[in-house]
Amino acid sequence: ETGVTQTPRHLVMGMTNKKSLKCEQHLGHNAMYWYKQSAKKPLELMFVYNFKEQTENNSVPSRFSPECPNSSHLFLHLHTLQPEDSALYLCASSQGAGDNEQYFGPGTRLTVT
Amino acid sequence: RKEVEQDPGPFNVPEGATVAFNCTYSNSASQSFFWYRQDCRKEPKLLMSVYSSGNEDGRFTAQLNRASQYISLLIRDSKLSDSATYLCVVNPSGAGSYQLTFGKGTKLSVIP
Repeated sequence: ETGVTQTPRHLVMGMTNKKSLKCEQHLGHNAMYWYKQSAKKPLELMFVYNFKEQTENNSVPSRFSPECPNSSHLFLHLHTLQPEDSALYLCASSQGAGDNEQYFGPGTRLTVT
Repeated sequence: RKEVEQDPGPFNVPEGATVAFNCTYSNSASQSFFWYRQDCRKEPKLLMSVYSSGNEDGRFTAQLNRASQYISLLIRDSKLSDSATYLCVVNPSGAGSYQLTFGKGTKLSVIP
């Protein structure tokens, strides 16, 4: 595998479910990101990890819980989501800070019913 | 004022045409600027960074005007494969910051 991979690619969950999104990067980067992309809205940065340490949390509701066990893996744990959380969730990685190129995974299309 | 503003389009242009996209940003302290490209139902990918002196990569030219807080992307000799959404991206906090601010994107359709 090369680049940034994400699983699952599609997820449908009820508001009472608990699920997790997984991201893995094979690029040797130190920084990993979670973004949310909703229709007709710009990409919104949710969380940033640098060398496994969280450096940014952009006022994301606690029903989204990130986990970064090492520099190559990033998870987003989901629980008691709302229908408005339905969106494309994109993971990205970069070598160094945000002024370096970010490489995105293909995303997980999440639908909350 | 929105942080990064773009004309959403769509821009429908014939093959071979020249098309220009503009973007304005609100934070005058912004240091780094980029154009990303996002194909339909795909992830964004870096198209090019934007440097103060302007830069060119093949058919693509990017310009930065710090005084007007304005970035542009010019595509010459448009190809069908250029059809995508072009995202203007700004790092508002400078070197060392992990924050990127994305515009909503400008959709381009190149027509045969």
